[in-house]
Amino acid sequence: LAKTTQPISMDSYEGQEVNITCSHNNIATNDYITWYQQFPSQGPRFIIQGYKTKVTNEVASLFIPADRKSSTLSLPRVSLSDTAVYYCLVAEGGGADGLTFGKGTHLIIQP
Amino acid sequence: DTAVSQTPKYLVTQMGNDKSIKCEQNLGHDTMYWYKQDSKKFLKIMFSYNNKELIINETVPNRFSPKSPDKAHLNLHINSLELGDSAVYFCASSLFGDFPSSYNEQFFGPGTRLTVL
Repeated sequence: LAKTTQPISMDSYEGQEVNITCSHNNIATNDYITWYQQFPSQGPRFIIQGYKTKVTNEVASLFIPADRKSSTLSLPRVSLSDTAVYYCLVAEGGGADGLTFGKGTHLIIQP
Repeated sequence: DTAVSQTPKYLVTQMGNDKSIKCEQNLGHDTMYWYKQDSKKFLKIMFSYNNKELIINETVPNRFSPKSPDKAHLNLHINSLELGDSAVYFCASSLFGDFPSSYNEQFFGPGTRLTVL
């Protein structure tokens, strides 16, 4: 599985847009990029996944450049409840090989 | 209804004991996983089962033995517990998929916090 690098922590304020960038230089052709969110004392929760270009769902957008060596998770108008750890992962194929989570980015939203 | 459930939520035991953690999913998925999250918050895959067959077995001591009686259940049995086994254990499930199919998101349970004294 491709190794990922992302900031350890980020701070922002309610109502702002937050962008978390992840690098995955050795991503392979059949790898998907996926992001998970984890609150304290809970299991990770899937946010979004993509292969290339831009993907948007009801909670976030994912921007992937043409070379796919990085990706940016964009959270629009964050609230206090968005304070969590965000993990960027590269999943091979359908992901049935399991996922290797790094330390993630601890996002802290302030009033 | 809870999609992926684990029991117990907390487990405190002595070194050397044998314990089991149960996991059940009602999502109709055919693939289930066990992950371990240590004190540094690293979350690592331990096992993966597809249709009751083991498909991933990472470098895990053989004291850990997964058991899948059916597609909806994947239990984790741990023999001769050690201090280093203290962690939060997460069960997850997903549909099985291969490229170029879309990535199949994993649904995680609430975790079982194991403390070995």
